[in-house]
Amino acid sequence: DSGVTQTPKHLITATGQRVTLRCSPRSGDLSVYWYQQSLDQGLQFLIQYYNGEERAKGNILERFSAQQFPDLHSELNLSSLELGDSALYFCASSPSGQGGQETQYFGPGTRLLVL
Amino acid sequence: AQTVTQSQPEMSVQEAETVTLSCTYDTSESDYYLFWYKQPPSRQMILVIRQEAYKQQNATENRFSVNFQKAAKSFSLKISDSQLGDAAMYFCAFGGSNYKLTFGKGTLLTVNP
Repeated sequence: DSGVTQTPKHLITATGQRVTLRCSPRSGDLSVYWYQQSLDQGLQFLIQYYNGEERAKGNILERFSAQQFPDLHSELNLSSLELGDSALYFCASSPSGQGGQETQYFGPGTRLLVL
Repeated sequence: AQTVTQSQPEMSVQEAETVTLSCTYDTSESDYYLFWYKQPPSRQMILVIRQEAYKQQNATENRFSVNFQKAAKSFSLKISDSQLGDAAMYFCAFGGSNYKLTFGKGTLLTVNP
C-alpha cells in the first residue's frame, strides 16, 4: 500500500458524459501527478500540481482538467468522453515539487470504461 | 525530449533463477533519476528500485539490483532467485528536470515453476 488513495476504483459511463476522479496523496506529500495508461499509448503524464498550483502539463486534452485543493487532494475532471478515453488513470504523489527527481508513489488507479 | 526504450516485450525465467531486464534511455541532462516499477495483475504500480544518476554505485534492494551504465545510457534490472510473485509487467522510467516520469513500454515477466 503506497498511501495514495484513489476513488472510484472502477467507472463505467457513456460517451459524451463527464466524470470526476479523486486522489488523496500520501500524508505530507505536496505534489500530485496524474497519468493515463492505455494499451496504445502506454503510460502518459497528464498534469502535476504542487501545493495547490499547476506546475507541469503533459499530454492532457482540453476536455480534461484538474485541480488540487487546500487539503492537497486532487480531482481530475474528464468531459465529453469518447471511447478512446477508456483507460487506467493513475494518481501519484511525491514529497515536494521536484517531479522526476524524486520518487513518485502511485495509487491503485481508476479504471474508466466509456461505452 | 527524453525517451525510454525497453527492447524486450516479454521475458520468462524459471523459479529460483536470475533474469535481467533491459532498458536504455536518451537524454541530454546530466542530473536525473531512473526507476523500475512493477505492475502485477492488480495493476498497482509498485516502485522496485531507483538510481540517482550522480551515484556511481549501482542500487540494490534485496533480490533486485541494477546495472547502471551512464555513458551508455543503459539501466538494466537484475532479479535474483526469481519467485512466482515476481511475475508482472516491469516498467523502466526516467525522471529529469521536467517534473514528469517518462516510461518505457514495459516488459512482461513470466516466472515458471
